Amino acid sequence: QSALTQPPSASGSPGQSVAISCTGTSSDVGGYNYVSWYQQHPGKAPKLMIYEVSKRPSGVPDRFSGSKSGNTASLTVSGLQAEDEADYYCSSYAGSNVFGTGTKVTVL
Amino acid sequence: EVQLVESGGGLVQPGGSLRLSCAASGFTFSSYWMSWVRQAPGKGLEWVANIKKDGSEKYYVDSVKGRFTISRDNAKNSLYLQVISLRAEDTAVYYCARDFTVASYDYWGQGTLVTVSS
Repeated sequence: QSALTQPPSASGSPGQSVAISCTGTSSDVGGYNYVSWYQQHPGKAPKLMIYEVSKRPSGVPDRFSGSKSGNTASLTVSGLQAEDEADYYCSSYAGSNVFGTGTKVTVL
Repeated sequence: EVQLVESGGGLVQPGGSLRLSCAASGFTFSSYWMSWVRQAPGKGLEWVANIKKDGSEKYYVDSVKGRFTISRDNAKNSLYLQVISLRAEDTAVYYCARDFTVASYDYWGQGTLVTVSS
């Protein structure tokens, strides 16, 4: 199972929005509504931000939103804050679970 | 408070073996599927294995099949990963994670580092 494709980096100024794409195939992202997104700060464990494409776990700010179109899922972070600077990973069900390549988000 | 605490990592020679453990607390352990996810130094996340609530079903990523064994002891609220025939490419931080919905994980441990090197 190949990793899902994410851009290596993305950036935005405080208050702006940034969108991260996650591209797979019809066998993973496109085939199931089981895409999730994780935030990982350096040296820390990942944190679940979005599950089942667009649902937010309790405690996750509504600045974080998820969507999917065809074989590509997206995570949008609105109103960027300094603490949003982190690595972000998507994942999808594909018979088993496959993660994305990761995107480093920089707050300028 | 949900807590997952891994242990058992360390430096091991190629071909060696280890048993990783994950102690769970703060939730009804037997009610959840559990998973191991690893992250090589400076690299992305990779799902390794998961196990059903009662241990009756187990699934693995292809690269570890036949070498890694996931198990659990619900009486001890513990998850395990027995790893044998270790290779340099198995070097990673191994995280224990609680399955939330299909292919999502809502709680993670702090990880335990496995280094395979001679």
